[in-house]
Amino acid sequence: EVQLVESGGGLVQPGGSLRLSCAASGFTFSGYWMHWVRQAPGKGLVWVSRINSDGSYTDYADSVKGRFTISRDNAKNTLYLQMNSLRAEDTAVYYCARDKDYYDSYNFFDPWGQGTLVTVSS
Amino acid sequence: DIQMTQSPSSVSASVGDRVTITCRASQGINIWLAWYQQKPGKAPKLLIYAASSLQSGVPSRFSGSGSGTDFTLTISSLQPEDFATYYCQQANSFPFTFGQGTKLEI
Repeated sequence: EVQLVESGGGLVQPGGSLRLSCAASGFTFSGYWMHWVRQAPGKGLVWVSRINSDGSYTDYADSVKGRFTISRDNAKNTLYLQMNSLRAEDTAVYYCARDKDYYDSYNFFDPWGQGTLVTVSS
Repeated sequence: DIQMTQSPSSVSASVGDRVTITCRASQGINIWLAWYQQKPGKAPKLLIYAASSLQSGVPSRFSGSGSGTDFTLTISSLQPEDFATYYCQQANSFPFTFGQGTKLEI
């Protein structure tokens, strides 16, 4: 079964840092682009970042550029999101999602993890 | 950035009804559009990709159409499990943007 399981969320003070992890199983992790998408409480979905299959290429939404870093460890089948200089507006459930198709990136997201909540508050 | 606008924002319907949700892109995106279903407290689920292709395992009562700037998601005969929020997403160009969502209520 294809599965993505996020971890690492929690309560952090403004200006603080947090690293999210996404453990993948049931598929060849190293063959897929991966994404992070977030959802503020009661709000819609916002794409955050993506990384190619070998980790050599990344993209970020303007709202997180320079503060967040996406990375992956294909040997551990794990995706990461390092979040620094956190702000109240970063409060959200963070989902990792796999690109639907092997090797190519068409930017359709399937499947998604269950999400991990990040709360930025003093 | 490409803006995605869904309508309506919410819709009330009954089991067995046919429902159509529309999504408009602020510029042409060819067929690079997906539809997702999200239930409360759950992750989104891919229903339709490339505007009209049904994702594996998704019931055939879901269908998508459109190209360019105007797209539709149709549920031919609503089932109780279909009451959820639906999002469109453009996959044409970075950053990949979502519509604001359409809440389908009983």
